[in-house]
Amino acid sequence: GAVVSQHPSRVICKSGTSVKIECRSLDFQATTMFWYRQFPKQSLMLMATSNEGSKATYEQGVEKDKFLINHASLTLSTLTVTSAHPEDSSFYICSARGGGVEQYFGPGTRLTVT
Amino acid sequence: AQTVTQSQPEMSVQEAETVTLSCTYDTSESDYYLFWYKQPPSRQMILVIRQEAYKQQNATENRFSVNFQKAAKSFSLKISDSQLGDAAMYFCALAIYNQGGKLIFGQGTELSVKP
Repeated sequence: GAVVSQHPSRVICKSGTSVKIECRSLDFQATTMFWYRQFPKQSLMLMATSNEGSKATYEQGVEKDKFLINHASLTLSTLTVTSAHPEDSSFYICSARGGGVEQYFGPGTRLTVT
Repeated sequence: AQTVTQSQPEMSVQEAETVTLSCTYDTSESDYYLFWYKQPPSRQMILVIRQEAYKQQNATENRFSVNFQKAAKSFSLKISDSQLGDAAMYFCALAIYNQGGKLIFGQGTELSVKP
């Protein structure tokens, strides 16, 4: 149980375009979803926390207009990187939390902006 | 503010031997949880073990156990009978109960296992 999927697993986009990443909890209802960014050989950096039906809470230094998060249902959250630039290239990971404190992680999405 | 510190960027262990990964944390909260996550080359985060702060007994999961020293704010992970599949990045993480379960991660320790 407690499976989280992410789609796509890899995406390449051109500079200036937008890209959407989906995060789904497959077998449980996620009251809260989290989005992380991870650079090679580094730790996970929390970008934002989203609760179903409400606006996401962004961490300090994360541009909310650039990284749009929508948590439309209890099983789906999306991260849209708008007007992507090469410096946005990274590994993006989502996680989902049900009723408990544990987070279940998706497999991640590698974004490359050319 | 809460912090998690892993002071060992890299560790190495011989197959079948035991290794201990260190983690210290800082929080003024009394109700929190501690976790160890494993991230293999696939980059899928896998929960290894969790510890509730209010529990005095150290958590164990098969070959994995923790040494939780609450007063010292220390939370080390011991891997016994190391296997080649244990090679991965290991992250220590802290979650404060009344902060929506937000995880604060340490810098990570890269563990290699020698055959």
